[in-house]
Amino acid sequence: GEDVEQSLFLSVREGDSSVINCTYTDSSSTYLYWYKQEPGAGLQLLTYIFSNMDMKQDQRLTVLLNKKDKHLSLRIADTQTGDSAIYFCAEKRTGGFKTIFGAGTRLFVKA
Amino acid sequence: DVKVTQSSRYLVKRTGEKVFLECVQDMDHENMFWYRQDPGLGLRLIYFSYDVKMKEKGDIPEGYSVSREKKERFSLILESASTNQTSMYLCASSSMIPGQGTKSSYNEQFFGPGTRLTVL
Repeated sequence: GEDVEQSLFLSVREGDSSVINCTYTDSSSTYLYWYKQEPGAGLQLLTYIFSNMDMKQDQRLTVLLNKKDKHLSLRIADTQTGDSAIYFCAEKRTGGFKTIFGAGTRLFVKA
Repeated sequence: DVKVTQSSRYLVKRTGEKVFLECVQDMDHENMFWYRQDPGLGLRLIYFSYDVKMKEKGDIPEGYSVSREKKERFSLILESASTNQTSMYLCASSSMIPGQGTKSSYNEQFFGPGTRLTVL
């Protein structure tokens, strides 16, 4: 199938690390993405990883890719209340125009 | 600053009405997309277009049609609105040309703010 799966909710305390997990099905995916959706807004690309990479770090964000298990994770260090949003995992396959999105994980950050 | 705009943030229509949702992008992108977003289901692709006058069905095209007469504009049409089409509708665009914009070679999609449609 085409599913990209992720848990629907995550709650963390301010200052802790958040880890959002995602599984995908197509091993031919070229790019894997994390998009962020803040309340009342459209999605915005947060970070991406190319399928031949294992890890990518960008300031407080760390993306880990386990291609064997088709597992992608996003770690947010020192989570702040401003990080409260819905995070979407997505995959782009070789060729074609479609990007397949997961259902989104709603991150709640408690002060 | 790149921008995708949608004609309305909120819309309320009655069952059976014809509904037009408009999307405009100012980035000269070739690709444009219409999604609907429902809780627990994420984004589902309704239609996309990779060029003017070209369109392809997505995963849930039933009950919808689209129009792309100009490169910057992609319209979603609900021929006869039904209550099960109450949803958040998101438009997005992306470039086919590497190097155009900072992230276009990674096929980043740029999203509009969404239109929340309620069909009564």
